[in-house]
Amino acid sequence: AQTVTQSQPEMSVQEAETVTLSCTYDTSENNYYLFWYKQPPSRQMILVIRQEAYKQQNATENRFSVNFQKAAKSFSLKISDSQLGDTAMYFCAFMKHPGNTPLVFGKGTRLSVIA
Amino acid sequence: DVKVTQSSRYLVKRTGEKVFLECVQDMDHENMFWYRQDPGLGLRLIYFSYDVKMKEKGDIPEGYSVSREKKERFSLILESASTNQTSMYLCASRDSLGSNQPQHFGDGTRLSIL
Repeated sequence: AQTVTQSQPEMSVQEAETVTLSCTYDTSENNYYLFWYKQPPSRQMILVIRQEAYKQQNATENRFSVNFQKAAKSFSLKISDSQLGDTAMYFCAFMKHPGNTPLVFGKGTRLSVIA
Repeated sequence: DVKVTQSSRYLVKRTGEKVFLECVQDMDHENMFWYRQDPGLGLRLIYFSYDVKMKEKGDIPEGYSVSREKKERFSLILESASTNQTSMYLCASRDSLGSNQPQHFGDGTRLSIL
C-alpha cells in the first residue's frame, strides 16, 4: 500500500517570501501521479499542481513549483512571493497509474502567511 | 468548471439516527469518492464508485454505506450515527478518461452527531 508523509504539521512565512512544503511517499509502483491540493478556510479543496512520475521536468504553475525527486520519493512544493491568500492547509496526494484509483493523501501542512 | 455539490454545509443529528449525505456532480464523471477529514489525520477514504451501481470499500468503511443509482449522484449513508462519526465529509468526482485527471471536490459537510 502507498503512504504519503508530510512531516511539517504547521509552517509560517512572511508575505512575499518563499516557503517549501515537504512531502515524501512510499510506493513500489514505477508509474504514478502526484498532486498538491490547497484547502483554504472556505474549505473547498483546490488543485494546486500535478506531476507525472514519468516526466523528469518539475511542474510549475505561476508562483507554485515542485521539486520531484523520484529516486528519493520526494515531492516538495515551493511557493514563491507568498501572498496572504496562500494561507491554507496543503495536502500532498499520490495516485497509481492508471489513474482510475483513489488518491492517497498525507495528513496536511497548515501554512500561515503573515503580513 | 466542474461543480461538485454537497447538499449541506452543516448538519446536526442525534446518535442512532440514519443519516444521508448527498453529493451531485455535473460533469458526467464516472468516478466518485467519499472522504472523511479529521484534524491531524488528513483525508481518509470511506467508499468510492467507478460507475453507476458500483462501489468499493475504502480504508474506513465501517459504519457507512453508499448508494449510486444515477451517475451524477453518490450518497453516503450512516446507518446508525454515532458520536465518533462527527467529522468533516468531503465528496469528490473524477473523469476516468485520461490517467492524470485530478479529483474535484465539493465544499464539504461538517456533521455533528450529538
